[in-house]
Amino acid sequence: GQSLEQPSEVTAVEGAIVQINCTYQTSGFYGLSWYQQHDGGAPTFLSYNALDGLEETGRFSSFLSRSDSYGYLLLQELQMKDSASYFCAVRRTGGSYIPTFGRGTSLIVHP
Amino acid sequence: DGGITQSPKYLFRKEGQNVTLSCEQNLNHDAMYWYRQDPGQGLRLIYYSQIVNDFQKGDIAEGYSVSREKKESFPLTVTSAQKNPTAFYLCASSIAGTGITHEQYFGPGTRLTVT
Repeated sequence: GQSLEQPSEVTAVEGAIVQINCTYQTSGFYGLSWYQQHDGGAPTFLSYNALDGLEETGRFSSFLSRSDSYGYLLLQELQMKDSASYFCAVRRTGGSYIPTFGRGTSLIVHP
Repeated sequence: DGGITQSPKYLFRKEGQNVTLSCEQNLNHDAMYWYRQDPGQGLRLIYYSQIVNDFQKGDIAEGYSVSREKKESFPLTVTSAQKNPTAFYLCASSIAGTGITHEQYFGPGTRLTVT
């Protein structure tokens, strides 16, 4: 099966940079995704890394190291609206394209 | 606008009653999914369907049932056999098959409370 580990909570101040780590164990790796979910809302897709390196999308970047089974989400110029839960996910093995999600990291941004 | 709708947003039921949660999408996606979310537990897969008239059990299917008679609809029934049904239920859809990305699109969720 798959397992993903991410911190349960991270706090930071507005304007700062924060990194949310994710380590995974899976037999057969097809990529790491990140989702954002505001309290009581729907998760929304942020990024997908299939290859090693950094992918940048505005203030958000996602990094992957397949040799280390590790990735992270980097949020720059933090804003209050970035307070949310962030989930990493890997695709399940067995030929389907269904993700397995981590337990999520609650990011709290203080003024 | 394309998207996924779930109804109702809040649902209250008495223990022992079956309840059906609605999920509709107009994204023309083949695949649809149901997840359950409890505090601190992340998203756990209940059932998924990759094509009309076919569906598969996820990790926590016991006490739930689904149908997929139309491409755009994937209702979930929470039966009386589900021991702890109070939770936030999320429906999602995606492009199935050989897509490079497995981006999922989520509905707004239904918060079910059973007393």
